[in-house]
Amino acid sequence: SQQGEEDPQALSIQEGENATMNCSYKTSINNLQWYRQNSGRGLVHLILIRSNEREKHSGRLRVTLDTSKKSSSLLITASRAADTASYFCATMGAQKLVFGQGTRLTINP
Amino acid sequence: GAGVSQSPSNKVTEKGKDVELRCDPISGHTALYWYRQRLGQGLEFLIYFQGNSAPDKSGLPSDRFSAERTGESVSTLTIQRTQQEDSAVYLCASSLALASSYNEQFFGPGTRLTVL
Repeated sequence: SQQGEEDPQALSIQEGENATMNCSYKTSINNLQWYRQNSGRGLVHLILIRSNEREKHSGRLRVTLDTSKKSSSLLITASRAADTASYFCATMGAQKLVFGQGTRLTINP
Repeated sequence: GAGVSQSPSNKVTEKGKDVELRCDPISGHTALYWYRQRLGQGLEFLIYFQGNSAPDKSGLPSDRFSAERTGESVSTLTIQRTQQEDSAVYLCASSLALASSYNEQFFGPGTRLTVL
C-alpha cells in the first residue's frame, strides 16, 4: 500500500508562479525524498531531507519536513515550462522507499 | 558513467505468455529495486536485492512474478502467464549500499509492458 499521499493530485499554474506540493505519510521515516517523472518513464531524484532536518534548499527547490505532522512540502519557485512533470514524494523507512501517488504539475506559458 | 539501463523499452505480448524484463544497474551499486507503475498511478514496490542477502520479495503481487540477480550486476524480472492487469511500466532502480540513510535511487527508463 502507498504510504505517501500527495496533494493536490494535479496543479496547473502560469509560468513564473510558484508551485507548492504537499505530501503526507503514516509511519516513522529515516528520510523523505522527492522525485520527478517526465512522460511516465524514469524518475529523477530531486532532493532528500533527513528526519532531523526541517528545511532544505536546492536551486529553485525548497523542501520542508514536519515530522510531528508527518508531512512535507515541495516548493518550486519561478516555475518554467520545463518543470511540467509529475512529482512524487517517497519515504524511507525500513530499507525501502515507499512512493506516493504523485502530483501532476503543468506550467502554462 | 552509464546510468541504469532497461530492456526492452517496450514489450507487447499476448495474454498467457511469459515475459522477461532486464535491468542493468549502475556499476558498484549493490542495491537494486523493481517497481511497477500503472497508468496515472504511483510506484508500487515489487522486490529489492541487496548484495548477497536474500531479496525482499514482499511486494511481488503473485507467484507469477519472480526476479533474479546475479551478484551485483544484471537483474531479470519474469512474469509468467501474463494477464491484462500486468500491463504497466516496470521501473528498475539501483543505489549504493544501505549503510547510511541516504539511499538515493537512480532509475532506469522503464519497460512499458502491454498485455493484449
